Amino acid sequence: DTEVTQTPKHLVMGMTNKKSLKCEQHMGHRAMYWYKQKAKKPPELMFVYSYEKLSINESVPSRFSPECPNSSLLNLHLHALQPEDSALYLCASSQESTGGNSPLHFGNGTRLTVT
Amino acid sequence: GESVGLHLPTLSVQEGDNSIINCAYSNSASDYFIWYKQESGKGPQFIIDIRSNMDKRQGQRVTVLLNKTVKHLSLQIAATQPGDSAVYFCAEKATGYALNFGKGTSLLVTP
Repeated sequence: DTEVTQTPKHLVMGMTNKKSLKCEQHMGHRAMYWYKQKAKKPPELMFVYSYEKLSINESVPSRFSPECPNSSLLNLHLHALQPEDSALYLCASSQESTGGNSPLHFGNGTRLTVT
Repeated sequence: GESVGLHLPTLSVQEGDNSIINCAYSNSASDYFIWYKQESGKGPQFIIDIRSNMDKRQGQRVTVLLNKTVKHLSLQIAATQPGDSAVYFCAEKATGYALNFGKGTSLLVTP
């Protein structure tokens, strides 16, 4: 079992819907991440939060909106998505952010399908 | 940005044999390297990491070797078991930058 918990496990949404993905960790990590992974591809970084502040946005379209309510929680708000946004969305956390060297711990992801 | 790649996209080994998964990286500033295992329907699972001041690190049944001269990383799995079947990603980072994943190698363990 992973120490990073993501909900929901699966999500199907229409292009006009608004939904949110949720992530939680209780390891005391100060950095949290959103990655997007397409089938048979490596994870691609979307956002990095360090000490609850957005530190990296990898030019992600504004239809994806991250939020970090506190050091244990990370949300990804979705609005007006396209079918090509269908993917596995992975949340991760690490003890240190980009300034340090510590492994990322991943959740099992939310499998998103946009219809 | 600079890329991290793998020499072989798929690797098939017999149960009980040793497996070697290779990875090339191009960023000479990379100073931290991680191997992840990803099983179907799950997120990447941390296996082992190594810092650039080391050239070898051992874990339980796994060894990571780092050759900074040729920018090459490898993961050795001893006595490969069916449960080792998964996709393996190498990842590298330089201080101040985010983790960069390689393309992945699919390991298939046959009985």
